[in-house]
Amino acid sequence: AQTVTQSQPEMSVQEAETVTLSCTYDTSESDYYLFWYKQPPSRQMILVIRQEAYKQQNATENRFSVNFQKAAKSFSLKISDSQLGDAAMYFCAYLNSGGGADGLTFGKGTHLIIQP
Amino acid sequence: DGGITQSPKYLFRKEGQNVTLSCEQNLNHDAMYWYRQDPGQGLRLIYYSQIVNDFQKGDIAEGYSVSREKKESFPLTVTSAQKNPTAFYLCASSPDSLRSKQYFGPGTRLTVT
Repeated sequence: AQTVTQSQPEMSVQEAETVTLSCTYDTSESDYYLFWYKQPPSRQMILVIRQEAYKQQNATENRFSVNFQKAAKSFSLKISDSQLGDAAMYFCAYLNSGGGADGLTFGKGTHLIIQP
Repeated sequence: DGGITQSPKYLFRKEGQNVTLSCEQNLNHDAMYWYRQDPGQGLRLIYYSQIVNDFQKGDIAEGYSVSREKKESFPLTVTSAQKNPTAFYLCASSPDSLRSKQYFGPGTRLTVT
């Protein structure tokens, strides 16, 4: 079974600064997807960024980028120019890319606080 | 509007009663999922369904049941056998061809006393 570990229960950053959230995972598969989801106080899950394991290039979405280290099984999220609206819980998630409609495996989350 | 709806947003029940949570999507997605979220935890998979009339147990299926009679609907029943039913429940769906993209509903907060 796959596991996802987020070792930072809470992180705090000044507005406009850069912050990096950590995630490690364990799997015996070679092909899979990794995700970062944002959950604001409304509790709606919002997809931030997605990485396909077979792609060496790190995914980026505007101010959000990842550092994907496949050999180390590490998948960190960097948020540049932090904004007050970035304050939320952030979850790292894993999905096998094999056949079938498998569900996501989530980490326990990191609470991101943005200091004005 | 296209999307996933879950109703109601808050649900209260007495211990020993079964309760059914609604999940409807008009995205024409084939796959649907139910997750449970507890305080300080990530989401955990309860059940998933790839097509109509077919569904599979996830990691924590005990005490829950589902049905998939229509493509757009995937209701979850929390039975009296579920020992700790109070939680936040999220439904999701994904297109079969883009299984890696899961879209989430707004969730239902269930409180059992």
